[in-house]
Amino acid sequence: EADIYQTPRYLVIGTGKKITLECSQTMGHDKMYWYQQDPGMELHLIHYSYGVNSTEKGDLSSESTVSRIRTEHFPLTLESARPSHTSQYLCASSDGMVPYEQYFGPGTRLTVT
Amino acid sequence: DQQVKQNSPSLSVQEGRISILNCDYTNSMFDYFLWYKKYPAEGPTFLISISSIKDKNEDGRFTVFLNKSAKHLSLHIVPSQPGDSAVYFCAAQLQGAQKLVFGQGTRLTINP
Repeated sequence: EADIYQTPRYLVIGTGKKITLECSQTMGHDKMYWYQQDPGMELHLIHYSYGVNSTEKGDLSSESTVSRIRTEHFPLTLESARPSHTSQYLCASSDGMVPYEQYFGPGTRLTVT
Repeated sequence: DQQVKQNSPSLSVQEGRISILNCDYTNSMFDYFLWYKKYPAEGPTFLISISSIKDKNEDGRFTVFLNKSAKHLSLHIVPSQPGDSAVYFCAAQLQGAQKLVFGQGTRLTINP
């Protein structure tokens, strides 16, 4: 069974605050991903990592940053939150094997006021 | 430039009938296609996939069909059940990229 966790599940925060969204997985997967999704829209890849100390920007430009110091942990940080950052953030992991299935966490719903 | 498109934002089907969700893509370098199901306030969960070298894959009530010449795939759910009501995302894996490209999703509602 897939075990991938995200905290917090919901966050309402004021403009200018620094926030970190947590993501952890217990499957030992090398590959981890962050997606951003707005209602009725596709999931947009904003960051990914193929292993410890490896991070890359995704297809959608994002002001957030990520780190991968441990295999199981892939946090996302916004240094200064803005209303335009309001969205759902989904973390996923994969073993990179066919059929390339990604396991998703429950997501963090972020609202910046 | 959206490479994976789900042109129907919503679909309503009667319980027991067949649900057909459609997906079109533009990039011929996709080598795997996946369908995900998403309930509100949860992350997407994997349903079924198909390799680009196949034209059909079946798993219980779920069947995915791939038409490479038309760059089109579809997910069939038979029979549809109330628990199938969710948003369904089509995703494609770019050959060698280890990344998925998602469509916008189709909200399926199963009516009793």
